[in-house]
Amino acid sequence: SAVISQKPSRDICQRGTSLTIQCQVDSQVTMMFWYRQQPGQSLTLIATANQGSEATYESGFVIDKFPISRPNLTFSTLTVSNMSPEDSSIYLCSVEQGVSTDTQYFGPGTRLTVL
Amino acid sequence: QKEVEQNSGPLSVPEGAIASLNCTYSDRVSQSFFWYRQYSGKSPELIMSIYSNGDKEDGRFTAQLNKASQYVSLLIRDSQPSDSATYLCAVTVLNRDDKIIFGKGTRLHILP
Repeated sequence: SAVISQKPSRDICQRGTSLTIQCQVDSQVTMMFWYRQQPGQSLTLIATANQGSEATYESGFVIDKFPISRPNLTFSTLTVSNMSPEDSSIYLCSVEQGVSTDTQYFGPGTRLTVL
Repeated sequence: QKEVEQNSGPLSVPEGAIASLNCTYSDRVSQSFFWYRQYSGKSPELIMSIYSNGDKEDGRFTAQLNKASQYVSLLIRDSQPSDSATYLCAVTVLNRDDKIIFGKGTRLHILP
């Protein structure tokens, strides 16, 4: 499976600021996904990021709050804008890869704490 | 009805026994089924995928799928303390653009 890295691995941020999370894959992938996992909860899909097109956001998530870039087939960023303590969460990117193209593999995650 | 349901646990199993994790899903057109393992503070790790009715074995792990009953399970034989983790059931649905729907996970605790 692909090797996926995320930066930063963790951060503590002040209310009202923004944080950009990077996701890098060691091979070209078509589909990349961004998830949020709040404490004690399961994964919630934020958006799907395909190279060369606008990200597709899930219900409850908007581009102004979570702008996403996908400049090439190995890289994507997610920005968490105008943060509040409710944004404290783990943010995960994932990619589809493998013989069955709907199999997703996850990066190590970014643990965000907003004060 | 929730799309993917799992008992949150914790499920406590003695070391060496079989751990049985269950998952039900609501959408009859679901096509692909996955089990992920997530250790505390870590990201989910794919353990098994299954697409057809029946059993699929990989080492100590066996996934079982029954589409008629909308039920998928994971059996872990010879449970080890290192198997203690949260197990997430995940399902993809036809025409949902490859999106995976995750259950809330079952916490498994293997008792030494």
